[in-house]
Amino acid sequence: EIVMTQSPATLSVSPGERATLSCRASQSVSSNLAWYQQKPGQAPRLLIYGASTRATGIPARFSGSGSGTEFTLTISSLQSEDFAVYYCQQYNNWPPRTFGQGTKVEIK
Amino acid sequence: EVQLVESGGGLVKPGRSLRLSCTASGFTFGDYAMSWFRQAPGKGLEWVGFIRSKAYGGTTEYAASVKGRFTISRDDSKSIAYLQMNSLKTEDTAVYYCTRLFYDSSGYVMDVWGQGTTVTVSS
Repeated sequence: EIVMTQSPATLSVSPGERATLSCRASQSVSSNLAWYQQKPGQAPRLLIYGASTRATGIPARFSGSGSGTEFTLTISSLQSEDFAVYYCQQYNNWPPRTFGQGTKVEIK
Repeated sequence: EVQLVESGGGLVKPGRSLRLSCTASGFTFGDYAMSWFRQAPGKGLEWVGFIRSKAYGGTTEYAASVKGRFTISRDDSKSIAYLQMNSLKTEDTAVYYCTRLFYDSSGYVMDVWGQGTTVTVSS
């Protein structure tokens, strides 16, 4: 089973600043990595797939990078609506039995 | 608008059964694999199982934690996916999400999520 580890657990950022979230896989998942955003009381929303492809309707301030075992989600200039929990998920080995534990982006 | 709406959640006693429904609209339901996920209170996301489209046999796979107790099915004529949950345990308490899957290179990505339905298993 591939283990996904996200860091940090919590990221405190001021609006307008850049946020950088990390996700590490216990073995290579190639570029088969997705990022999801979840706000309190809401369902997750797909942000990025294929490690770097933005999903439909996702603003350009969200970008993903990486391959193999190391991945990064960058939010270039945080807006108020971006404060949420972010999950990474590999789909190189399907089904995706595991997600990362999540990174909470909170207002500094 | 592409949309998934779950229903059927509620309070149920341990050992009992419950059936969740996921009603799809805005896309050709039969063309897509569908999956169920759940999220226990204050916890992360857990995959429950999925069902392929009929074009790929309509077969199913399940997480070890629910295999033998949960069954996923689909009615393409009604654009509904179902999650039949039997022998429920307190640890099945969670918000259950239905998702649409699209295939990207090596596996499926969950590109559309329902709003979730809450299942509480308690005596």
